[in-house]
Amino acid sequence: AQTVTQSQPEMSVQEAETVTLSCTYDTSESDYYLFWYKQPPSRQMILVIRQEAYKQQNATENRFSVNFQKAAKSFSLKISDSQLGDAAMYFCAYKSSNYKLTFGKGTLLTVNP
Amino acid sequence: DVKVTQSSRYLVKRTGEKVFLECVQDMDHENMFWYRQDPGLGLRLIYFSYDVKMKEKGDIPEGYSVSREKKERFSLILESASTNQTSMYLCASSLWHQETQYFGPGTRLLVL
Repeated sequence: AQTVTQSQPEMSVQEAETVTLSCTYDTSESDYYLFWYKQPPSRQMILVIRQEAYKQQNATENRFSVNFQKAAKSFSLKISDSQLGDAAMYFCAYKSSNYKLTFGKGTLLTVNP
Repeated sequence: DVKVTQSSRYLVKRTGEKVFLECVQDMDHENMFWYRQDPGLGLRLIYFSYDVKMKEKGDIPEGYSVSREKKERFSLILESASTNQTSMYLCASSLWHQETQYFGPGTRLLVL
């Protein structure tokens, strides 16, 4: 069974600085998708970024980028120029060819002014 | 924009009551999902549906059932609520050929 591990239950960053959230996963499949979701205190889960495993190029979305290391089964999220609105719970998620999305347990990010 | 709505943000029910949680999406998505979210456990899949009247069990289906009579609506049913079903329930939907799931705002259920 696929598993997703987020080893950092909590992280903090100063406003305008950069922070990296870690995620590792375990799978025997070669074709899959990886996601980072953000859940602010209002509780609506929002997609931050996605990565297709067959793509070697790391995905980027404005201040958010990933470091996808397929061989190491690592998928970290980098947030540049952190803003107060980035404070949230961040979930890493894995999806293979079936419908199921497997989530990590989350990393709570605090942004300090 | 994709919109996924859930019928209630907060619910308080008594042990043994039958509870219905409703989810509606407005983007003609084939797939719909129900998760529960508990601190320290992340999100766990309860059930999903890939078409009208079709459903499959997720990781933790015990104590739950689902209904999908129309494409846009997916209901989660707690036949006899128990205190260990106190949780946050999240609904999501996706297009069959896309991988991204879009989430509703969640329903926080308290069973007394």
